[in-house]
Amino acid sequence: EVKLIESGGGVVQPGESLTLSCSASGFNFNLVSMHWVRQAPGKGLEWVSLIDWSGGTRHYGHSVRGRFTTTRDNTKNSVFLHMANLRVNDTAIYFCAKVRRSGSFDVWGHGVPVTVSS
Amino acid sequence: DVQLTQVPASLSASVGDRVTISCRASQNINHWLAWYQQKPGQVPKLLIYEASKLQPGVPSRFSGSGDGTEFTLTINRVQPDDFATYYCQQYFGFPCDFGQGTKLDIK
Repeated sequence: EVKLIESGGGVVQPGESLTLSCSASGFNFNLVSMHWVRQAPGKGLEWVSLIDWSGGTRHYGHSVRGRFTTTRDNTKNSVFLHMANLRVNDTAIYFCAKVRRSGSFDVWGHGVPVTVSS
Repeated sequence: DVQLTQVPASLSASVGDRVTISCRASQNINHWLAWYQQKPGQVPKLLIYEASKLQPGVPSRFSGSGDGTEFTLTINRVQPDDFATYYCQQYFGFPCDFGQGTKLDIK
């Protein structure tokens, strides 16, 4: 069974940092690009980042560029989202998602909450 | 950046109705568009990829069409389980943003 499990969420103050992890199983992780998507309370889906299979190509959404960094460890079947200088409007559920061959997101993790509040 | 405009933002339907949701891209994205369904408190679920291909396991009452800049998600004979929010997403280029969502509720 293909599974994605996020961890690392929590409550932090503005300006602080947090790292999310996404552990994958049930597929050839080292061949697949991975994304992060977030959803603020009561809002729609917002794409956050992509990392390709090798980690050599990464892209970010405008609202997180320069503050968030995505990395991966193919030996541990894991992808990470390092979030720095967090803002109140970064508060959201963060999902990791696996890319289907053509680029759509066919498997999603259950999501992990991040709350940024003073 | 590719902007997606999804309409309507909400709609009401009765069980058995045919429903259509539109998604317009600000530039040609060929067929690189997906549709997702999300129910409250649940994870988004891929319905359609490459504009018109049905994800395995998704009921055949769901269909997608379009190419270039105009796309449509159609639900034939809406079922009680279909009342949810639907999002389009382009993956032609980065950022691969989502549409604003369409909430489908019971009339």
